[in-house]
Amino acid sequence: GENVEQHPSTLSVQEGDSAVIKCTYSDSASNYFPWYKQELGKGPQLIIDIRSNVGEKKDQRIAVTLNKTAKHFSLHITETQPEDSAVYFCAASNSGFQKLVFGTGTRLLVSP
Amino acid sequence: DAGVIQSPRHEVTEMGQEVTLRCKPISGHNSLFWYRQTMMRGLELLIYFNNNVPIDDSGMPEDRFSAKMPNASFSTLKIQPSEPRDSAVYFCASSPLDYGYTFGSGTRLTVV
Repeated sequence: GENVEQHPSTLSVQEGDSAVIKCTYSDSASNYFPWYKQELGKGPQLIIDIRSNVGEKKDQRIAVTLNKTAKHFSLHITETQPEDSAVYFCAASNSGFQKLVFGTGTRLLVSP
Repeated sequence: DAGVIQSPRHEVTEMGQEVTLRCKPISGHNSLFWYRQTMMRGLELLIYFNNNVPIDDSGMPEDRFSAKMPNASFSTLKIQPSEPRDSAVYFCASSPLDYGYTFGSGTRLTVV
């Protein structure tokens, strides 16, 4: 089955810096890669996703890149703000948008 | 839209008792997922339904766990009998065919 690895497990940056979180997946048939943000006491919230026919997608300060050959994808957050502090999860699916397999999460801390 | 609604938000029960967690998915979403989140194991998929039919329950840890979806607007996850190692946050999520999950706020279960 699919296996998703995520790095780093924790990431501390200064406000205004960029943050990059990386994930690798094992199943070359995976075709959908969402990213979720989880704040304390809440459920994960979808922030951006990418499909296997696209190499990069941007939404304001966040972007995701996908390298199908290397089987890895990354989340980029620019101009970080304290409210970006949360746990971020990557995920992958090889069955359309069903049955997501999640990475282990990255705790991002943005210091003012 | 009120989003995915889970109840209760918190549940404390004694070992051996039956626990029932409830979920109301977003109207129109045809897939429903139950996940468990722990520090040690991260987000684990327990079971998912498509059009009220269980598709994959391979993540259900043991026979003590069961899930039902009697109609498109309601699902339950039952643990009987509960054990301390079942303590976790249980999330329900729903999705339409062509987009990512929306998670509920979760039920924090503590078995003492």
